[in-house]
Amino acid sequence: DTGVSQDPRHKITKRGQNVTFRCDPISEHNRLYWYRQTLGQGPEFLTYFQNEAQLEKSRLLSDRFSAERPKGSFSTLEIQRTEQGDSAMYLCASSFSVYEQYFGPGTRLTVT
Amino acid sequence: GENVEQHPSTLSVQEGDSAVIKCTYSDSASNYFPWYKQELGKRPQLIIDIRSNVGEKKDQRIAVTLNKTAKHFSLHITETQPEDSAVYFCAASIPRGNEKLTFGTGTRLTIIP
Repeated sequence: DTGVSQDPRHKITKRGQNVTFRCDPISEHNRLYWYRQTLGQGPEFLTYFQNEAQLEKSRLLSDRFSAERPKGSFSTLEIQRTEQGDSAMYLCASSFSVYEQYFGPGTRLTVT
Repeated sequence: GENVEQHPSTLSVQEGDSAVIKCTYSDSASNYFPWYKQELGKRPQLIIDIRSNVGEKKDQRIAVTLNKTAKHFSLHITETQPEDSAVYFCAASIPRGNEKLTFGTGTRLTIIP
């Protein structure tokens, strides 16, 4: 499978714990995006990278959220001190150009 | 920032009939409009997109139209089949700006056999 992959697919954590998700983009895609999707809603933009540079961050991305893309390959999204409101599907997408973003299967986070 | 509205939120059509989903956007600088199909528990799948230099694009049974003056775009599915049942999302972006996709709230399409 040469599509975008994400790990883990599901994560259950207790409030206050830290979690980290990983995204592996389609090879040779230099753009990588993170979105969050809650039930019944469309994905909401969180942040994006072009190569290793983080170029845009949403106001949704509080200080508890941090994303990295070392060496411009895979990316990680960390949430510190999780809250129940962080429960959502976290989607990663990648793109070779300014168009056509391809999504991964997502990581479903449940904060108890 | 950009705001995308999508209608209807649910749509049921008889198999073989056509389905139309409409979206409006607020930022006149937006010039890229993709449509995604998301089946239950699956990733959003890009099914068609349109750029502002064209008014209509077709790919087999699906087509998208764009009216930049009115700031709206629509998805048309003809000869609907049961496998077309899914949630469809429209989106808008400024490709040479911040590139982020702003999504509509989705349309749950049900094809009645």
